[in-house]
Amino acid sequence: KAGVTQTPRYLIKTRGQQVTLSCSPISGHRSVSWYQQTPGQGLQFLFEYFSETQRNKGNFPGRFSGRQFSNSRSEMNVSTLELGDSALYLCASSLEPPNTEAFFGQGTRLTVV
Amino acid sequence: ELKVEQNPLFLSMQEGKNYTIYCNYSTTSDRLYWYRQDPGKSLESLFVLLSNGAVKQEGRLMASLDTKARLSTLHITAAVHDLSATYFCAGFQGGSEKLVFGKGTKLTVNP
Repeated sequence: KAGVTQTPRYLIKTRGQQVTLSCSPISGHRSVSWYQQTPGQGLQFLFEYFSETQRNKGNFPGRFSGRQFSNSRSEMNVSTLELGDSALYLCASSLEPPNTEAFFGQGTRLTVV
Repeated sequence: ELKVEQNPLFLSMQEGKNYTIYCNYSTTSDRLYWYRQDPGKSLESLFVLLSNGAVKQEGRLMASLDTKARLSTLHITAAVHDLSATYFCAGFQGGSEKLVFGKGTKLTVNP
């Protein structure tokens, strides 16, 4: 059974640009969540999607957005990139909520220069 | 809002020794998760603790949950170098699918 797949694995972007990250969940999983991991702030929740609807959102500015498609694949977008957006972005998928176990992808390492 | 605190944040131990990582959380959470992360890698699920008194063991790691004390522990027995990693505990924010993580415990096992 394939795990959670995130693409790309690494990205280097310039300040002011925008970026789109992709996440394909485990087959049959309908909930997808995104997390940002930085050395200073640790792991922080960005948002969660279920059946193409954003159900939960973390405390991030509106530059961070996401969506989920009918096949449960999800994308997150960050516009007007700042240096502080450099982080490991992790996607997690889980079966029908509530509170089921979350399985994480390998992450996308974003570097903003 | 759920807050999760781990201690210690850094742990250096010798092979063969035992130690415990503690995870305290601030509000009721009926499930507690432990993850392992190797440098530059993703999070690997170790344990899911579902109820008060739950105890799970895998190899040299044993996790337990005390919901009344709002405390989970991860006990390491006879540590080996391969256990060197960062360990996170996490719980779901009530009524949501938001996982709240502790800051992690960076474990280094020295020969």
